[in-house]
Amino acid sequence: AQSVTQPDIHITVSEGASLELRCNYSYGATPYLFWYVQSPGQGLQLLLKYFSGDTLVQGIKGFEAEFKRSQSSFNLRKPSVHWSDAAEYFCAVGVFTGNQFYFGTGTSLTVIP
Amino acid sequence: EPEVTQTPSHQVTQMGQEVILRCVPISNHLYFYWYRQILGQKVEFLVSFYNNEISEKSEIFDDQFSVERPDGSNFTLKIRSTKLEDSAMYFCASSEQGIGDTQYFGPGTRLTVL
Repeated sequence: AQSVTQPDIHITVSEGASLELRCNYSYGATPYLFWYVQSPGQGLQLLLKYFSGDTLVQGIKGFEAEFKRSQSSFNLRKPSVHWSDAAEYFCAVGVFTGNQFYFGTGTSLTVIP
Repeated sequence: EPEVTQTPSHQVTQMGQEVILRCVPISNHLYFYWYRQILGQKVEFLVSFYNNEISEKSEIFDDQFSVERPDGSNFTLKIRSTKLEDSAMYFCASSEQGIGDTQYFGPGTRLTVL
């Protein structure tokens, strides 16, 4: 069965520090991979996605993610975090067997001054 | 930029009542979805809809739930007899294509069942 794991429930970083949010998936083939961000009281906004090709993908707001097939991972990174990045981050997998996404449990990011 | 809209933003209902959550997907999209997020938990897939029929549904989507595209713009989720455990944020999403295409999410409807 497909699954998405985000091992870190909550991460706190200082403003200006680098950030890496982890995502691992379980799926028999290469899935479509996504990162979404959810600010308090808001819907889900797409940060970036990976379908194929270059394994390092760039997204909005200065985020990037790297697909590593050998590790079944799709970690999200940002070199310098801004206070406005405080939000909930969800990794998601889109699979070929249907039109649904499987979401991870999310990582809550707190940014301290 | 086109966006998915949802109404109402917050719905309060009594247990056993019927509720209809409404969504207006992005106009050129053909695939529509409903997800829910119970407070503090992950986003869970409910159902996908294409060509005026359900294409896939999860085990959560039982007989109490139904979806409809009553006209060319709206996409609705109906819960026939709400239960306390239906309290959640319900997100509508749409995509231009299926099978892993980017899904664009609405802001959600918070459903509170008393």
